[in-house]
Amino acid sequence: IAGITQAPTSQILAAGRRMTLRCTQDMRHNAMYWYRQDLGLGLRLIHYSNTAGTTGKGEVPDGYSVSRANTDDFPLTLASAVPSQTSVYFCASSPTSAWADEQFFGPGTRLTVL
Amino acid sequence: GQQVMQIPQYQHVQEGEDFTTYCNSSTTLSNIQWYKQRPGGHPVFLIQLVKSGEVKKQKRLTFQFGEAKKNSSLHITATQTTDVGTYFCAGAMDSNYQLIWGAGTKLIIKP
Repeated sequence: IAGITQAPTSQILAAGRRMTLRCTQDMRHNAMYWYRQDLGLGLRLIHYSNTAGTTGKGEVPDGYSVSRANTDDFPLTLASAVPSQTSVYFCASSPTSAWADEQFFGPGTRLTVL
Repeated sequence: GQQVMQIPQYQHVQEGEDFTTYCNSSTTLSNIQWYKQRPGGHPVFLIQLVKSGEVKKQKRLTFQFGEAKKNSSLHITATQTTDVGTYFCAGAMDSNYQLIWGAGTKLIIKP
């Protein structure tokens, strides 16, 4: 692995189902982030983690949860998916906190909720 | 809430013409970062500006940070097909650690 990987690449999901998007980085970065990207709205931060064991809420956290059990993994869970969660989801990481460092992005997960 | 406004949303240019995108914040920024996202791809970091009035160049790309640290611009000289994509600015506010992203400007090369 080099950089950040995300799985799955794409998913079609029935409304009400639970879904976990996976994100793994091998750069030993402390900070990790989940964004959603919708047309015309740019990137919106869902949740972040400044270091393993800690998480925080971003701009649009409702309906999503995250965990950071170790440095490498930062899964995003939709407990009960709704159509408004249809989006492209990007995981990102940075060596330290966001405002000081550049962010490295994964390839994204395209999620469709029907 | 805190916002970073980015304009225009789209810009169509002939190959060889120049391209500029602008970002404006309602509050003073600690720094501003610029990213490029190719069609179907993910954002890739281009540069970070930190100092008031800072100007940085990368080949045909020129980045500026305003004197008041509330605005920034990216100018591309003589666009090429490889420049196609969406350019995002992302500003960091003094009051918190999170980047606030502009909505992006999509550069489209006319055929």
